[in-house]
Amino acid sequence: GIQVEQSPPDLILQEGANSTLRCNFSDSVNNLQWFHQNPWGQLINLFYIPSGTKQNGRLSATTVATERYSLLYISSSQTTDSGVYFCALLGSGNTGKLIFGQGTTLQVKP
Amino acid sequence: DTAVSQTPKYLVTQMGNDKSIKCEQNLGHDTMYWYKQDSKKFLKIMFSYNNKELIINETVPNRFSPKSPDKAHLNLHINSLELGDSAVYFCASSQDTGGYNEQFFGPGTRLTVL
Repeated sequence: GIQVEQSPPDLILQEGANSTLRCNFSDSVNNLQWFHQNPWGQLINLFYIPSGTKQNGRLSATTVATERYSLLYISSSQTTDSGVYFCALLGSGNTGKLIFGQGTTLQVKP
Repeated sequence: DTAVSQTPKYLVTQMGNDKSIKCEQNLGHDTMYWYKQDSKKFLKIMFSYNNKELIINETVPNRFSPKSPDKAHLNLHINSLELGDSAVYFCASSQDTGGYNEQFFGPGTRLTVL
């Protein structure tokens, strides 16, 4: 099955700094999502981005499907950006099964 | 409006008990899922239902039984709870299983088995 690897596993930033999170995957994909799990445990949809580039405020994401990676950019980070960021890909077989990476834990310090 | 809701949010129970978690979505989606998040934050699918029909059963013990009374609801019943069942359980939904398939997650149910 598809393997999903995220890097870095942990990241500490000072408020205002920029960062890039990476998601590598082992096979072609029809669906890639980025989620933010906030400190209260909620999984928040950031991007649905099987290919191309999208932006939403201070966040943007780029997926290069042919090279099997996706990047999540966080600019001017804020303490509320803290939490775990997951990328997840749709597995094969048209079952809707999302395969998650292990996550990047981000801590933004004031 | 809450898109995907779960009850209860917290569940603390003794080993051996039977418990249920309920999930409802008001997005008009055809497919619903249960995921389990372990203590290391790893998320893995357990079940998916499409139009009330079981699509995925990801080698989950028989003690776990999902039930979908209609497309908007997917409940999870757990028999004879074990310590290892302690985790956060997330319900999710999507329009379908393939193609455009953005999944939306509920707030999670934190289950603690003592």
